[in-house]
Amino acid sequence: AQKITQTQPGMFVQEKEAVTLDCTYDTSDPSYGLFWYKQPSSGEMIFLIYQGSYDQQNATEGRYSLNFQKARKSANLVISASQLGDSAMYFCAMREGRGNQGGKLIFGQGTELSVKP
Amino acid sequence: DSGVTQTPKHLITATGQRVTLRCSPRSGDLSVYWYQQSLDQGLQFLIQYYNGEERAKGNILERFSAQQFPDLHSELNLSSLELGDSALYFCASSVSPNPMVAGELFFGEGSRLTVL
Repeated sequence: AQKITQTQPGMFVQEKEAVTLDCTYDTSDPSYGLFWYKQPSSGEMIFLIYQGSYDQQNATEGRYSLNFQKARKSANLVISASQLGDSAMYFCAMREGRGNQGGKLIFGQGTELSVKP
Repeated sequence: DSGVTQTPKHLITATGQRVTLRCSPRSGDLSVYWYQQSLDQGLQFLIQYYNGEERAKGNILERFSAQQFPDLHSELNLSSLELGDSALYFCASSVSPNPMVAGELFFGEGSRLTVL
């Protein structure tokens, strides 16, 4: 069963506007973490933001915020004031459980964001 | 720059061959993880090592093996290569074996393997 679903293969946004990238997840574990990574055309994976399942408030990191709706099992990434440099592939990922699960992240298929000038 | 170093950045080889990908984790990080990114499978976890010992295993083929050395660098060995092994192979590192804290898992720039 797919655990992380990103339904938008590609999106366009005008420079300086906000954009929301969708992510839904599936888990029965009460303890999990949700991550967003950015992958520019150069290929590296850049960490953006993290939300723990027990966190009471939505995570924010600069222009990035995570709209965490636990009951709906969604963890959408909101990028405010888009910049041309935001054009990249964006991945949502989840880590389940405590203990020895380590860094086993399950990734979605990604959303390719293009920012138009 | 994440501090995780992967070599080589690009590698082209033929089917049936064997290659070794190398990863140096960030200074002080004890855990190393390997991920494979391919067009059809997306990003998939392969294996994790912590302080020299295997910690977790994912969808790693039997033709693939990995190890972490006493100096904490890791190598991923891919043998009897097939066309479908063409992918971007990422190494990531963290201090803890159980990174649940934001930003604790740092990725290298990847090694792009092309099998012809």
